[in-house]
Amino acid sequence: KAGVTQTPRYLIKTRGQQVTLSCSPISGHRSVSWYQQTPGQGLQFLFEYFSETQRNKGNFPGRFSGRQFSNSRSEMNVSTLELGDSALYLCASSGGSSSVYEQYFGPGTRLTVT
Amino acid sequence: GESVGLHLPTLSVQEGDNSIINCAYSNSASDYFIWYKQESGKGPQFIIDIRSNMDKRQGQRVTVLLNKTVKHLSLQIAATQPGDSAVYFCAEIFGNEKLTFGTGTRLTIIP
Repeated sequence: KAGVTQTPRYLIKTRGQQVTLSCSPISGHRSVSWYQQTPGQGLQFLFEYFSETQRNKGNFPGRFSGRQFSNSRSEMNVSTLELGDSALYLCASSGGSSSVYEQYFGPGTRLTVT
Repeated sequence: GESVGLHLPTLSVQEGDNSIINCAYSNSASDYFIWYKQESGKGPQFIIDIRSNMDKRQGQRVTVLLNKTVKHLSLQIAATQPGDSAVYFCAEIFGNEKLTFGTGTRLTIIP
């Protein structure tokens, strides 16, 4: 069974631009969570989607948004990029209703904002 | 908000020795804890978990200990191998909410 895939793997953007990252979960998984990982703040939860609905949300500004499609694939969007948005963005998928307990992570998208 | 773990410390262990990685958590109501391993260029990988009603759980070469009195979690890796070199994160869950991660510990295995 294929793992979680994320595209693109690397991205360089300029301040003020917007970016869309994509995540394809493991087949059959209906929950997708997004995390931001930085050296200073570690792994921080952004949001979780289950069956196309946002189920949980972390403490990030409204510039960070996401969505999930009917095939469970998910995208996250960051608008008006800031230098501090440079990070590794990780997506994790899980199946079943107790989604947070067994999450499988993708390799991440490394976003650099200049 | 809630916090798990401390600054990112480093730990160097001789190959073949045992290693212990520690984590402090702050939410005494958390009911589930997980240890993840993250190798360079990869996402976190599940190692072992433990529920709050347990004190100890063993896996293959790994043992997790939970001390709820002092809100402390540890991961013991037996007979370390070069492939164990990675950053290790503890994470906690309260209810069915999001995972809250610690900042991690970098483990280096010395050949």
